[in-house]
Amino acid sequence: DAGVTQSPTHLIKTRGQHVTLRCSPISGHKSVSWYQQVLGQGPQFIFQYYEKEERGRGNFPDRFSARQFPNYSSELNVNALLLGDSALYLCASSAGWDDTQYFGPGTRLTVL
Amino acid sequence: QKEVEQNSGPLSVPEGAIASLNCTYSDRVSQSFFWYRQYSGKSPELIMSIYSNGDKEDGRFTAQLNKASQYVSLLIRDSQPSDSATYLCAVNGESGGSYIPTFGRGTSLIVHP
Repeated sequence: DAGVTQSPTHLIKTRGQHVTLRCSPISGHKSVSWYQQVLGQGPQFIFQYYEKEERGRGNFPDRFSARQFPNYSSELNVNALLLGDSALYLCASSAGWDDTQYFGPGTRLTVL
Repeated sequence: QKEVEQNSGPLSVPEGAIASLNCTYSDRVSQSFFWYRQYSGKSPELIMSIYSNGDKEDGRFTAQLNKASQYVSLLIRDSQPSDSATYLCAVNGESGGSYIPTFGRGTSLIVHP
């Protein structure tokens, strides 16, 4: 079975631009979570979606938004990019909202 | 603010030794605990999950949980150079009806031949 997939792998944007990151969960998983990981730190929780509804939200500004589609794939949107948004963005899927999470390969975002 | 604390290391051990990685957490109502391994430039991969007090063994790995002390650890027996990575402790804590996962910053492990 395919694991969690994310696209794109790498992305370079400039300050003020908008970015959309995509994630497809493991087949059969209904929950997707998004994390931001900056160098030297652990992943920071951004959002969790389960059955297309937001289940949890971390301490991130409103510039960050997400949604989950009927096929359980998900998008993370970030508006008005700042230099500090440069990070590895990780998507994790789980069967249920409180189950073990499995991570995708991540999207490396660089904001210039 | 829920916190998960790990010594950033690096922890250096010789090949074949036991590596001991520790993690403390602040949220007393935390229900589930996880250890992930992350190689440089890669995403975290799950090593073990633990939910009850005591030890849980899986091959060379043993997770230990003590909820009274708010402490979880990971032991790696017969450490190999391929175990060299950053080990992340993650704790699921409940907040407003949702489980909010919190990760520590990770401990860097170096296994030298």
